[in-house]
Amino acid sequence: AQTVTQSQPEMSVQEAETVTLSCTYDTSESDYYLFWYKQPPSRQMILVIRQEAYKQQNATENRFSVNFQKAAKSFSLKISDSQLGDAAMYFCAYRSFTGTASKLTFGTGTRLQVTL
Amino acid sequence: DAGVIQSPRHEVTEMGQEVTLRCKPISGHNSLFWYRQTMMRGLELLIYFNNNVPIDDSGMPEDRFSAKMPNASFSTLKIQPSEPRDSAVYFCASTPAGKIDEQYFGPGTRLTVT
Repeated sequence: AQTVTQSQPEMSVQEAETVTLSCTYDTSESDYYLFWYKQPPSRQMILVIRQEAYKQQNATENRFSVNFQKAAKSFSLKISDSQLGDAAMYFCAYRSFTGTASKLTFGTGTRLQVTL
Repeated sequence: DAGVIQSPRHEVTEMGQEVTLRCKPISGHNSLFWYRQTMMRGLELLIYFNNNVPIDDSGMPEDRFSAKMPNASFSTLKIQPSEPRDSAVYFCASTPAGKIDEQYFGPGTRLTVT
């Protein structure tokens, strides 16, 4: 079974600075997807960024980018130019590449605080 | 599109009562997932459907929980009888047909069982 580990329960960053959230995972599969989801106080889960394991290039979405290290099974999220609206819980998630639908396995989350 | 719709947004009930949570997936999506989120256990997948058929219900805690998807636009998660330890936020998510790499989450239902 796959597992996802987020070792940082809480992180803090000053506005306009850069922060990196860590995520490691364990799997025996070679093809899979990795995701970062954001959960603001409204509780709704919002997809931030995704990475296909077969792609070596790191995914980027505006101020959000990942550092995907497949051999190390590491998938960190970098938030540049942090904004107050980035404050939320961030969840790393794993999905198998098999079948027509498959479940997400989530990490325990990292709470990000953004300070002035 | 209105996104995934869940109702009610908040539910407070007494122990022993039946609770039904509802979900309307995004039109055209063919997979639907029910998750539970608690402080202690984080986000857990309870069950998911593909083309209205339950594929994996191994996350359903016990027989008190049941889920149905009678058609492509509606699903229910029922707890009968409810217990205080069922208190959590329950999320529904759906995935587009042919695009399994994204799940779109609903706003969640906060359930409190007293």
